[in-house]
Amino acid sequence: QVQLQESGPGLVKPSGTLSLTCALSGASVSSNNWWNWVRQSPGRGLEWIGEIHHSGGTNYNASLKSRVTMSVDKSKNQFSLNLTSASAADTAVYYCARRGFIEAAGRRNGFDYWGQGTLVTVSS
Amino acid sequence: VLTQSPDTLSLFPGERATLSCRTSLSVSSNYLAWYQQKAGQAPRLLIYGVSSRATGVPERFSGSGSGTDFTLTISRLEPEDFAVYYCQRYGSPPYTFGQGTKLEIK
Repeated sequence: QVQLQESGPGLVKPSGTLSLTCALSGASVSSNNWWNWVRQSPGRGLEWIGEIHHSGGTNYNASLKSRVTMSVDKSKNQFSLNLTSASAADTAVYYCARRGFIEAAGRRNGFDYWGQGTLVTVSS
Repeated sequence: VLTQSPDTLSLFPGERATLSCRTSLSVSSNYLAWYQQKAGQAPRLLIYGVSSRATGVPERFSGSGSGTDFTLTISRLEPEDFAVYYCQRYGSPPYTFGQGTKLEIK
């Protein structure tokens, strides 16, 4: 059973760095999948932040690209998000998710596994 | 840009629900997905590749469409189906989501 679990500070000061980690179980971060971060501001819709592959390849949302860095730790089977210069607009529930791959079909199948989400509040 | 309609859909249990998703650009390789989100929970993948049901998704959920117009249909609403539904393109970044359709009990 694939499981993802987000962790990190629930409170970040304005202008600080928001740092989150997503730990995997039942799946390897080194598999042929892309590992994503998605956020949801209170009462709002879903915003894609970016993704990382174990090879080091990344894709970021253009609106956040200047502030986002993602990394993979193969030894700990986890991946991480850093978002600098945080402001109140970054207050949201942050989810990690897998963009899956069906080997037999050679096709992607959407964001098939998600973490439960973690609320990060940016406030002094 | 993905635009979902309607914003809110009010129906009775047992009725048929039809949710729409329109994209500004044609979706490559049919990489269009639908998700269900209940209050306080993470989104759940329902449909991928326009019309393939994810593991464990009941047969009453079906997806259709092509190009820029897509539809999620719930054939006969169960009480647990009342939630918010999002469409998403996931073939090439950015993996944009629609703004969501809230399906509420009438």
